[in-house]
Amino acid sequence: SQELEQSPQSLIVQEGKNLTINCTSSKTLYGLYWYKQKYGEGLIFLMMLQKGGEEKSHEKITAKLDEKKQQSSLHITASQPSHAGIYLCGGEAAGNKLTFGGGTRVLVKP
Amino acid sequence: NAGVMQNPRHLVRRRGQEARLRCSPMKGHSHVYWYRQLPEEGLKFMVYLQKENIIDESGMPKERFSAEFPKEGPSILRIQQVVRGDSAAYFCASSRTGGNEQFFGPGTRLTVL
Repeated sequence: SQELEQSPQSLIVQEGKNLTINCTSSKTLYGLYWYKQKYGEGLIFLMMLQKGGEEKSHEKITAKLDEKKQQSSLHITASQPSHAGIYLCGGEAAGNKLTFGGGTRVLVKP
Repeated sequence: NAGVMQNPRHLVRRRGQEARLRCSPMKGHSHVYWYRQLPEEGLKFMVYLQKENIIDESGMPKERFSAEFPKEGPSILRIQQVVRGDSAAYFCASSRTGGNEQFFGPGTRLTVL
């Protein structure tokens, strides 16, 4: 079965610093999703990547998918307290359902 | 355009009771997915439905759990004879078609006493 590994599990960064979260799939993906979840709340859609080598940016967040469509990274530039939360990557291998990584807890210190 | 709606947001049930969780997809979305997030665990797929059809229920427990998405009205996730282990956050997502972005609702947090 497909597995998604996220790293690191948690991250503490100083406000203004950059951070990167990685997501690795055991299988080639049709699509790779990034979501943000605040504790006890729902998931906020960030980005979806479908093509090998694709890169998307929104505000200070950039996500990339490798050519083999098995690895993705999420990069936040000049982090702010509003970036704190749990970041989840979700992979679609077949059948439209998503398999999620374990999440990365991000804390931004002012 | 309202997002995915779920209700109730919080649900408390005693062991043996039934729980009904509702999900109204985004306007124009005909695909619905249910996921469960157990305490201290990741988000797991349960079931994928289109209008009046169950497409994939490979993540559903074999007993006590059922889901439907009728022609009219919200999708319903039904849990019969709840047990403490059913306590979790249940999230619904919808997409316009299969393979499109899945947008999530705020979740229903079920607590079984």
